[in-house]
Amino acid sequence: QQPVQSPQAVILREGEDAVINCSSSKALYSVHWYRQKHGEAPVFLMILLKGGEQKGHEKISASFNEKKQQSSLYLTASQLSYSGTYFCGTPNKDTPLVFGKGTRLSVIA
Amino acid sequence: GAVVSQHPSWVICKSGTSVKIECRSLDFQATTMFWYRQFPKQSLMLMATSNEGSKATYEQGVEKDKFLINHASLTLSTLTVTSAHPEDSSFYICSASGTDYYEQYFGPGTRLTVT
Repeated sequence: QQPVQSPQAVILREGEDAVINCSSSKALYSVHWYRQKHGEAPVFLMILLKGGEQKGHEKISASFNEKKQQSSLYLTASQLSYSGTYFCGTPNKDTPLVFGKGTRLSVIA
Repeated sequence: GAVVSQHPSWVICKSGTSVKIECRSLDFQATTMFWYRQFPKQSLMLMATSNEGSKATYEQGVEKDKFLINHASLTLSTLTVTSAHPEDSSFYICSASGTDYYEQYFGPGTRLTVT
């Protein structure tokens, strides 16, 4: 079951914030976030596990609400290097990652 | 972090020929490897899951006789696209995991162009 991401695309100016959402109709054990630059493979950002945890790395953080079966990725004070397509991936216990359709983020100067 | 390599990084072949793509885990033993395909501006679609020493599990709609997967060791999986056609042109990405699926490490991808 493919998770649903929103928005599909967003354009930001440097320094602005953005939120990308990921939701599933099935129970989630964990949520993975990746960023992909054009022509490159996805790069791992973070995994969030059950327990409603939040994680962050520098100015990118995420939350996971397993009751609502959704996760959100927060990008604060965006930089040009944040541009790319963000994918959430949701595995079940015994199945590999199924990716959402992606959110295309463009940061402009 | 764990490193996964793919070879070749790009390949151009003629219609009707076969192409083999290698995926290697360089610094860990990959119990399971996954093969994804990505068309331009689309998401990654899982093609198959392979466990070392056993037959691959293919996703619905993926022809197992066309996309041959071999996972001969804990560090190497290969995908062979047989009798390639232009519609097989895509970005093929492998990933590998250790003892569970919670962490998957992606290779850099192979861009296949069939002329």
